Amino acid sequence: DAGVTQSPTHLIKTRGQQVTLRCSPISGHKSVSWYQQVLGQGPQFIFQYYEKEERGRGNFPDRFSARQFPNYSSELNVNALLLGDSALYLCASSLGLLDTGELFFGEGSRLTVL
Amino acid sequence: AQTVTQSQPEMSVQEAETVTLSCTYDTSESNYYLFWYKQPPSRQMILVIRQEAYKQQNATENRFSVNFQKAAKSFSLKISDSQLGDTAMYFCAFMKYAGGGNKLTFGTGTQLKVEL
Repeated sequence: DAGVTQSPTHLIKTRGQQVTLRCSPISGHKSVSWYQQVLGQGPQFIFQYYEKEERGRGNFPDRFSARQFPNYSSELNVNALLLGDSALYLCASSLGLLDTGELFFGEGSRLTVL
Repeated sequence: AQTVTQSQPEMSVQEAETVTLSCTYDTSESNYYLFWYKQPPSRQMILVIRQEAYKQQNATENRFSVNFQKAAKSFSLKISDSQLGDTAMYFCAFMKYAGGGNKLTFGTGTQLKVEL
């Protein structure tokens, strides 16, 4: 079975641009979470979506938004990119809303903002 | 808010030896879960072991075991018979038992290198 897939794997943007990152969860998983991992740091929670509704939001500005589609895939959008948005963006899926930590992570999308 | 602290940025161990990674956390919650995740160079975060706070017995998974000290808010990971494939970044993480969602709070990680 396919694991969590993310695209693109790498991308380079310039300040002020917008970016969309995509995530396909494991088949049957209805919850998708997004994390930002800055180099040398642990991942920071951005969003959780379950059944197409936002169920949690971390301490990130409104430039960050996300959505989940009927097939449970998800997109993370970041507007007006800043240099500090350069990071590895991880997507994680789980069966339900609260799965006691059984999160399955993708390999991430590495965003570089110049 | 919860915080997770890993005070060892880097560690190294000889193959077949045992190594212990440290983690402390701060929370006012009484029910929660603690985890160790492994992130190899491939970047994919992989669950190593999980501990429910209400369980007194320390979790074990093959060569991996934890020392959970709830009163001290300490959660260390012991890797026995270290293998080259254990080389990775290890993250300690916390999750509230209730309150909606399965948000993980991670520490800053410990880079473990297993050497021949």
